[in-house]
Amino acid sequence: DGGITQSPKYLFRKEGQNVTLSCEQNLNHDAMYWYRQDPGQGLRLIYYSQIVNDFQKGDIAEGYSVSREKKESFPLTVTSAQKNPTAFYLCASSISRAAGDQPQHFGDGTRLSIL
Amino acid sequence: AQSVSQHNHHVILSEAASLELGCNYSYGGTVNLFWYVQYPGQHLQLLLKYFSGDPLVKGIKGFEAEFIKSKFSFNLRKPSVQWSDTAEYFCAVNPYGNNRLAFGKGNQVVVIP
Repeated sequence: DGGITQSPKYLFRKEGQNVTLSCEQNLNHDAMYWYRQDPGQGLRLIYYSQIVNDFQKGDIAEGYSVSREKKESFPLTVTSAQKNPTAFYLCASSISRAAGDQPQHFGDGTRLSIL
Repeated sequence: AQSVSQHNHHVILSEAASLELGCNYSYGGTVNLFWYVQYPGQHLQLLLKYFSGDPLVKGIKGFEAEFIKSKFSFNLRKPSVQWSDTAEYFCAVNPYGNNRLAFGKGNQVVVIP
């Protein structure tokens, strides 16, 4: 079955450490996205990529970094510069069209907690 | 920057009651509109979408939404809810020519049996 796989489901980090969240998709989608979900805040866009080797900052990119070396993979690194990293992180993908009319497909998420 | 507003973050109602969730957006151009649902313990999934044509769109599980361009609104409705409709509902807007989605803050809906 095609879909989006995020791993791990739960992740713990010590203060001052960088941590990388994995996102893999086998839907052959060009576009991939990372969101942060906090209670009562909805989803906020961190980074997105519309094609391999290219990505753009979203609304809350500070303290995060990404790479897009392969079409199916879009890992997110939460750096020590992110002041409040405890959150639920969601990865999504979609067919990339200029019309922007394609729905996004979401993974199950990774819950990151600071020890 | 565009914004998406959802009011009444927590909604509690009984089975068979009608549900309406409001969604307003600030973007003035042509937009694509979506409602997503997140059931407890599950990933976000598409409920319905509007791109063009009939402003009243039908989605899964008996949900529908109406696009009113003059009011910049895309409200979600269901005439008679079930306990299984307990979930968080998100409205999202994507301006034409932009693959980014802007989400509202969500409505947490609890249906009491």
